[in-house]
Amino acid sequence: GQQLNQSPQSMFIQEGEDVSMNCTSSSIFNTWLWYKQDPGEGPVLLIALYKAGELTSNGRLTAQFGITRKDSFLNISASIPSDVGIYFCAGQNYGGSQGNLIFGKGTKLSVKP
Amino acid sequence: SAVISQKPSRDICQRGTSLTIQCQVDSQVTMMFWYRQQPGQSLTLIATANQGSEATYESGFVIDKFPISRPNLTFSTLTVSNMSPEDSSIYLCSVEARGERAPHSYNEQFFGPGTRLTVL
Repeated sequence: GQQLNQSPQSMFIQEGEDVSMNCTSSSIFNTWLWYKQDPGEGPVLLIALYKAGELTSNGRLTAQFGITRKDSFLNISASIPSDVGIYFCAGQNYGGSQGNLIFGKGTKLSVKP
Repeated sequence: SAVISQKPSRDICQRGTSLTIQCQVDSQVTMMFWYRQQPGQSLTLIATANQGSEATYESGFVIDKFPISRPNLTFSTLTVSNMSPEDSSIYLCSVEARGERAPHSYNEQFFGPGTRLTVL
């Protein structure tokens, strides 16, 4: 089946630094999504990308849908302690009424104040 | 958007027993899903809970092990049957609903807080 390769697996950064993580796939997706999961919680959608080449921002977060439809990146600028958590990319292959999500293995972000 | 609650939030169970997890949504939704997240791992879809018909299971998951009910458009249950330590995971319910950021023809997938299951 389809698999996503997400990197890095973990990051330890200083508060104020910028963060970049990415996902690649061996096959194309119609939609790319980025979720954040805090301890004891379910994933929360941060950014959704619906068109190849699309660049979308949500506050300090910016994500891009790769032109080949096989990759996406997420950048976080000027990190703060509450950015700590696990970030998951997810690909999806249905439009309109959705199908299931394929998740990456996650990037665990730690921020030192 | 959709607000999802799950019960129980966590449980510790004995090998060979079964646990039923409940998922309640604050609005009527067509699509509901059950995911498993093993310790330190990503999310894997178990099944799609269909209202009024049998659930649709993904490869590697079977109805005898993970029976699912979907009696109406706001509620679903997942049972983990005849548990073993390998079933220790977080089980998450999710739904599709209109999101603020999605284009007109798209829904977003929202997740519940999860049920943390430990099997001894």
